[in-house]
Amino acid sequence: TQLLEQSPQFLSIQEGENLTVYCNSSSVFSSLQWYRQEPGEGPVLLVTVVTGGEVKKLKRLTFQFGDARKDSSLHITAAQPGDTGLYLCAGAPEQYALNFGKGTSLLVTP
Amino acid sequence: DTAVSQTPKYLVTQMGNDKSIKCEQNLGHDTMYWYKQDSKKFLKIMFSYNNKELIINETVPNRFSPKSPDKAHLNLHINSLELGDSAVYFCASSRPISTGELFFGEGSRLTVL
Repeated sequence: TQLLEQSPQFLSIQEGENLTVYCNSSSVFSSLQWYRQEPGEGPVLLVTVVTGGEVKKLKRLTFQFGDARKDSSLHITAAQPGDTGLYLCAGAPEQYALNFGKGTSLLVTP
Repeated sequence: DTAVSQTPKYLVTQMGNDKSIKCEQNLGHDTMYWYKQDSKKFLKIMFSYNNKELIINETVPNRFSPKSPDKAHLNLHINSLELGDSAVYFCASSRPISTGELFFGEGSRLTVL
C-alpha cells in the first residue's frame, strides 16, 4: 500500500484567512484526487490532477500536483465557514483502488 | 434519485452477532467498493468488485464476506462481530478502477457493544 501523508491533521482558522493543506508520498502517482467529506456524509470529489506541475482552480480552491507527481497541495483563499470539513487526498497505484490519506479536518469559524 | 445508497445508516449490535449492510448504485458503474472509516477518519479500502467479480481483497478478516449479486449491488456480511469492527462503512462505485471518480454512499455507522 502506497502511503499518502497529509498535513496538517487539524486546522482551525477564522473566516477570511488563507490556508494550505499538503499531501505527500514517496511514490509516483498517475493521478491524485482531492475529496471533501462533511459530517454524516460520504466524501465528494473536488478535483483530479493528472499532469506533473498541473494547477487547477475551483473558485477559491487551488490545487497543485507536484512536478514529480508525488505530492499535491490544496490552497484555500479567504476561507468561509462553508469550507469546514474533512479534506482527503487519494491516489491509485496501477490497477488498484484509491488509497486515501488520513485527512485534514478543517474548521472555519465566523 | 440517490446515486449510491446503502442501508442501514445506523446499526447497533452485540458482540458475536452477524449483520449485513446493503449497497446499490444506479450510475451504471462497473466497479464497486467497500471502505472502512475508523474513529480517526482514516478511510481504508476493504474490497473491490468489477462486474460482480472480486478484484481487490485487502487484509480483511474472513469474517467479512462481500457478495455482488449483480453489478449494481454489493453487500457486506459480517460474522461474529467484534468491538474493533465498530466504524463507518462506505460503499462506493466508479467507472474504470484506479482512475475513475469514486461516488460514495452516505455510510453505515456500525456500533458493536
